[in-house]
Amino acid sequence: AQTVTQSQPEMSVQEAETVTLSCTYDTSENNYYLFWYKQPPSRQMILVIRQEAYKQQNATENRFSVNFQKAAKSFSLKISDSQLGDTAMYFCASSILGGGADGLTFGKGTHLIIQP
Amino acid sequence: DSGVTQTPKHLITATGQRVTLRCSPRSGDLSVYWYQQSLDQGLQFLIQYYNGEERAKGNILERFSAQQFPDLHSELNLSSLELGDSALYFCASSTPGLAGVISKPYNEQFFGPGTRLTVL
Repeated sequence: AQTVTQSQPEMSVQEAETVTLSCTYDTSENNYYLFWYKQPPSRQMILVIRQEAYKQQNATENRFSVNFQKAAKSFSLKISDSQLGDTAMYFCASSILGGGADGLTFGKGTHLIIQP
Repeated sequence: DSGVTQTPKHLITATGQRVTLRCSPRSGDLSVYWYQQSLDQGLQFLIQYYNGEERAKGNILERFSAQQFPDLHSELNLSSLELGDSALYFCASSTPGLAGVISKPYNEQFFGPGTRLTVL
């Protein structure tokens, strides 16, 4: 079984600042994926970034990057130069890699508010 | 637009009733996933179907069932509804790897807009 924990229910930063969202996870699997999903007020689920556990290099997508610490089972999301459109719920998630059965396990989410 | 469609968008019903939620996956996607998002439980994986067959089960209640039809659309049936079943129900689709094979590249799950279920 996999568990994902997000300990920050809500965060607020000023526009253009850098913010880091925390996530820890637990799994008995050797091969797995980790994700950050964004859910804006429209409720649409949008994949922000993903990390394969077997890759040591941290994933990066434009202003979004992760700090993946496999031994510590930590997977934080850094948003640089934050924008008003980044205001949303952010969910950390995991899934088993391979096997074809890959339902996502989500954390409780962090509500990120970008202030103008 | 993810390409995944869900109907209806909103559904209001009473306790004890039965409802059916429908999902049409993206063209070419063989796998369908159902998720429930509620205030109490957060986002939970319910069940996955792959090409008509059940592939994985998550925290799905016995009162809930799903199926995937030959045209690959899926339905989630919720019966004996309780107040606590009020939630946003998401469908997602992808084309996952075969059992025993590591998926490369990753087959992203694309989420539909959800069905908002209110049980009164």
